[in-house]
Amino acid sequence: GNSVTQMEGPVTLSEEAFLTINCTYTATGYPSLFWYVQYPGEGLQLLLKATKADDKGSNKGFEATYRKETTSFHLEKGSVQVSDSAVYFCALSDRAGYSTLTFGKGTMLLVSP
Amino acid sequence: DGGITQSPKYLFRKEGQNVTLSCEQNLNHDAMYWYRQDPGQGLRLIYYSQIVNDFQKGDIAEGYSVSREKKESFPLTVTSAQKNPTAFYLCASMSDLETQYFGPGTRLLVL
Repeated sequence: GNSVTQMEGPVTLSEEAFLTINCTYTATGYPSLFWYVQYPGEGLQLLLKATKADDKGSNKGFEATYRKETTSFHLEKGSVQVSDSAVYFCALSDRAGYSTLTFGKGTMLLVSP
Repeated sequence: DGGITQSPKYLFRKEGQNVTLSCEQNLNHDAMYWYRQDPGQGLRLIYYSQIVNDFQKGDIAEGYSVSREKKESFPLTVTSAQKNPTAFYLCASMSDLETQYFGPGTRLLVL
């Protein structure tokens, strides 16, 4: 079956540091890949997505590239802010009609001033 | 504003009691989903519905029930058979473009 593996957190960084959160997946076929963000006590918000190999999703300074050869979708940001502190979830869809999502366990990011 | 609403924000359940969590969307989406979130576990799918009057079990459906009588509404009942119901419950909906939109969540606690 499908699965998503994320690096364990928390990831602790100082403001303006470079961020990488690793995500690898196992899936049959050609899934779409997503990053969602969850702020404390809230639901999830879509951060970015990519639907085919070599696509790059980007939003609010975050980027991730769909790498089929390494089955990865790592999240990066060049300069994090305190307001980026949240839990980040990598997910894939099975693309079967109204698809279900398979989520990783989430990675908490803590950014200090 | 279009979106998904969940109520209540906090819900308390007594031993042997059934409780119902509300989820409403005005995005005109066909598909709706219920997830359970536990610390360190990520999100696990409970039930989903692709059209009115039809729904499918997810990975952890035991102890839960749902209905989908209207396109806008997908309530989740946590029954007394669910022995460990304490969790954060998230509802989502999806258009035909693969992106799921989430509500703010309901935190269920056991008295």
